[in-house]
Amino acid sequence: EAQLLESGGGLVQPGGSLRLSCVDSGFTFSSYAMSWVRQAPGKGLEWVSTISGYGSSIYYADSVRGRFTISRDNSKNTMYLQMNSLRGEDTAIYYCAKVILRQGSYYYYMDVWGKGTTVTVSS
Amino acid sequence: DIQMTQSPSSVSASVGDRVTISCRATQGISSWLAWYQQKPGKAPKLLIYTASTLQSGVPSRFSGSGSGTDFTLTISNLQPEDFATYYCQQANSFPLTFGGGTKVEIK
Repeated sequence: EAQLLESGGGLVQPGGSLRLSCVDSGFTFSSYAMSWVRQAPGKGLEWVSTISGYGSSIYYADSVRGRFTISRDNSKNTMYLQMNSLRGEDTAIYYCAKVILRQGSYYYYMDVWGKGTTVTVSS
Repeated sequence: DIQMTQSPSSVSASVGDRVTISCRATQGISSWLAWYQQKPGKAPKLLIYTASTLQSGVPSRFSGSGSGTDFTLTISNLQPEDFATYYCQQANSFPLTFGGGTKVEIK
């Protein structure tokens, strides 16, 4: 059974940086696109970024473009989210999630989720 | 960007009831829609994708319908474990977007 585990969250001051990691176990990591989705306290879900299996295609939400960088190291079964110039509105639980693959095509729905890591941006 | 609007934002229901949640897109998304369930303190769980395909392991009391701009999630015979918040998500184009959520509460 596929499992994802996020790490790297914590308390950071506005303007600071943080790098999140997401490690997979249980599936062929390089075959799947992966996403980051966040949830601010008491709020709904917000998609942040998606990266294809070999990293050739990358997408960002406007709210993080230019500040966040998604990447992956398939040799380590790990995806990353480098977050720079952090703001208060980036405070959230960050989930990593696996994208569905069907008949060789990505269906950009998320079928496996990690438990999340909490990022708090505050002075 | 495609905006997703869910209604109602909350619904009170009893065990055994039938609950219907709507999701509307600001432009046509064919059948590129998913539904997720989220319980407090937990990660979301995929229930339905491509508007009506039940994810493996999800009980058959959950069903989805619709295409274009209007979609529906139906929970038949509501069970105690179904009290949660439900989100729709469009996968037609980036940026991926979620609806605001519908909280199903116990009456």
